[in-house]
Order: sequence, then structure tokens, then C-alpha cells
Amino acid sequence: DADVTQTPRNRITKTGKRIMLECSQTKGHDRMYWYRQDPGLGLRLIYYSFDVKDINKGEISDGYSVSRQAQAKFSLSLESAIPNQTALYFCATRETGSGTEAFFGQGTRLTVV
Amino acid sequence: GDSVTQMEGPVTLSEEAFLTINCTYTATGYPSLFWYVQYPGEGLQLLLKATKADDKGSNKGFEATYRKETTSFHLEKGSVQVSDSAVYFCALSSGGYQKVTFGTGTKLQVIP
Repeated sequence: DADVTQTPRNRITKTGKRIMLECSQTKGHDRMYWYRQDPGLGLRLIYYSFDVKDINKGEISDGYSVSRQAQAKFSLSLESAIPNQTALYFCATRETGSGTEAFFGQGTRLTVV
Repeated sequence: GDSVTQMEGPVTLSEEAFLTINCTYTATGYPSLFWYVQYPGEGLQLLLKATKADDKGSNKGFEATYRKETTSFHLEKGSVQVSDSAVYFCALSSGGYQKVTFGTGTKLQVIP
């Protein structure tokens, strides 16, 4: 099994619908992150969490919300999806420390029509 | 805030050519620096890292040296292979929360 698992892998949804992307990890790390990837823009941080009670906005949090249900689970929600939220979404996890490696899921390709 | 600037791609090289992908950064304090690689259809995976000035990270023939004086962390490989074709991301981690900031990525295509 993968260390970081994202579901679904692909999703097409309509404008205005609520959608949840799920992430679970088996690394035992406290830190979890949600990024979106767009061509030419790299990865941009949406939200990050350092433990179940510590959730922080990233650089592009508008239109998104998150829930840290447990140390191993971190979900991203789009309350009312819009077409410019069409992107590739990645969940990542890291051990505490400045030089630690981030482990990424395989991504969720979301299309909002 | 923190930022990472890397050369735009795509970069197309012939097999066995020398590779350089430039990366410069802006950060407060003393960041840790990373190169991640993304193969088609996959998530990112760590290629190499350096956590303090003058450190050299290396892996799979790739190298990068943490240059504090020029705020750079350029990726190099002496002889690329077709299997190196991927997107390469420079990244840094700094600050109390140790957020990871990524560059925009550089697509490398190696042709036989």
C-alpha cells in the first residue's frame, strides 16, 4: 500500500457542487498539506495542519476548507466548486523538522464543468 | 514571503548531455533546500536535499550545492538518460511552521 493515499484519483463535477477529496497516510507524521498544481504555476499551498488541532491557511485557501479527522486523515472540501478550481490536487505529509522529506500522494485530478 | 524561482522549460536534451536547471530562492533565516521530481502520472518524490550552506545533495547522478552567497541551488547531472525525463521542482522549507514553497517546475525531455 502507498504511504499516502488520495481518493478519488479522478473526478468530474458540476459548478456549484460540494466535493470532498480525501487523504490518508501510514507514515505516522503529524504534518499534512494540501497543494494544487496548475501548468506554469507549480504547486501552491492550500492548507496545512501540524496536528489534529492545528490547521492553517496557505496562500490560496479561498473557496476551500479542510478537516483533520485524525492524525492520519486530512480532507479537502470545495464547498461550491467553480471551473477555475479545475486542477491536480496533491496531499503530502512530513515528519517534524526543517530538512525532512515530504511524501506525496499520487494526486487527484479534479475537473469542474 | 518565501519564493523559489527556477528556469522555465521545457528543456530538451540528447541522451548523455550535461544538464543544469537553475534555481534561486528568497527566504528568511536559513532554509532547507530540496529538489523533487515528478514522473508522468505520479506524485512528487524527493530527489535530493541540502540543509545548510555549502552542503551538496546528491542522488542518482544528480547534484546540487547550497550556495548561500548567491541564494542558489542549481541542479546538475553529467550525463542524462531518457529515463530522466520528468518535471523537476526546486523547493525550500523555512520559518517556524516550516512550510514548503515550490518553484514552478521545469520539464525535462531527454531524446535518444
